[in-house]
Amino acid sequence: QPVLTQPPSASASLGASVTLTCTLSSGYSNYKVDWYQQRPGKGPRFVMRVGTGGIVGSKGDGIPDRFSVLGSGLNRYLTIKNIQEEDESDYHCGADHGSGSFWVFGGGTKLTVL
Amino acid sequence: QVQLQESGPGLVKPSETLSLTCTVSGGSISSYYWSWIRQPAGKGLEWIGRIYTSGSTNYNPSLKSRVTMSVDTSKNQFSLKLSSVTAADTAVYYCARVAFGFFYFDYWGQGTLVTVSS
Repeated sequence: QPVLTQPPSASASLGASVTLTCTLSSGYSNYKVDWYQQRPGKGPRFVMRVGTGGIVGSKGDGIPDRFSVLGSGLNRYLTIKNIQEEDESDYHCGADHGSGSFWVFGGGTKLTVL
Repeated sequence: QVQLQESGPGLVKPSETLSLTCTVSGGSISSYYWSWIRQPAGKGLEWIGRIYTSGSTNYNPSLKSRVTMSVDTSKNQFSLKLSSVTAADTAVYYCARVAFGFFYFDYWGQGTLVTVSS
């Protein structure tokens, strides 16, 4: 199954932009990845799915237009523009392997808004 | 709006069985896959397994020998049992719904902390 790698932390100033990266292990460049936002003390919330062609399907409920995704090679990116205080969260990427019979997640990236 | 709520003991002794239930409200449990996912403090998410409303299951191979999931459609609930627990099983446990026709988790519970300690 694939391994998903995320940097443990990222930071950005209020109103700026940030791009978070999720890297698939070699051989899995065709995999789609799901991004989840987890605010402190809360359960994760689906953001959107990304493949090499960009977003797959629709964004999760209430996800603002400031959030977008791109995919290239083994990397899947989540970009947040005009960062707000409420964007300070842990962001997890995940992927299903075998038509939903097994899921893997990255270690998560903690986004700090400065 | 679909809501999920985990319930069960917050403290389990080593070598005993962890038991949790997820109650689904605001929608039917039928015709969906449902999953359990856990998160040790300060760490990433780990998928435990999934169950369909027919009762068919898939489990994480790393936990398969200790995991049992079940579903009760009459109560709109599904459950997790994890046997022979150790301190390594201490985590926040989440239940989640698999989006229909897709393989991502569209609704999550708020999570419940289970601590394994004597």
